[in-house]
Amino acid sequence: EEQLLESGGGLVQPGGSLRLSCAASGFTFIDYAMNWVRQAPGKGLEWVSSISGSGGRTYYADSVKGRFTISRDNSKSMLYLQMNNLRADDTAVFYCVKGVHPAANYLDVWGQGTLVTVSS
Amino acid sequence: DIQMTQSPSSLSASVGDRVTITCRASQAITNGLAWYQQKPGKAPKLLVFAASRLKSGVPSRFSGSGSGTDYTLTISSLQPEDFATYYCQQYYTTPVITFGGGTKVEIK
Repeated sequence: EEQLLESGGGLVQPGGSLRLSCAASGFTFIDYAMNWVRQAPGKGLEWVSSISGSGGRTYYADSVKGRFTISRDNSKSMLYLQMNNLRADDTAVFYCVKGVHPAANYLDVWGQGTLVTVSS
Repeated sequence: DIQMTQSPSSLSASVGDRVTITCRASQAITNGLAWYQQKPGKAPKLLVFAASRLKSGVPSRFSGSGSGTDYTLTISSLQPEDFATYYCQQYYTTPVITFGGGTKVEIK
């Protein structure tokens, strides 16, 4: 069974940093692009970032560009999101999500999510 | 960037009703559209991809259609377990993707 398990969420002060991790299992990790999608409390879904299977190409939403960095360790089947200079409007549940195909980034496997709260 | 506009933002319906949710893209997306279902406190689940292809295991009462900029998700006979929030997502600009604002389906 394909599974994703996020960790690393928590409470952080504005301007602070946090690193999210996602452990993948049940599929050949290097074969798939991976994504981070977030959902602010009571709001809709927002794509945050994507990374190619090899890790050589990364993409970001304008709202996080320059502050967040996506990376992966294919030897460990791990996905990461380094978040710096966090703001109150970054408060959200962050989901680690598997893309179906490099040419068709719809999302077939989701983690359970990890909550990031940015507050003083 | 492609904007996705869903309507309505919420609706009330009864068990057995036929429900239609609409998603409009700000430009043509050539059927690069997926639909997801999300229940409170849970991660979204993929229902439909390529505008009209049902993911394996999804009940046949769900169907997707559309072309160009306009797409619909239809539930032919609403069941109790279908009360949830539904999102469309365009992947025409893969890997950069965009979600619609969501449609909450509530019990009348």
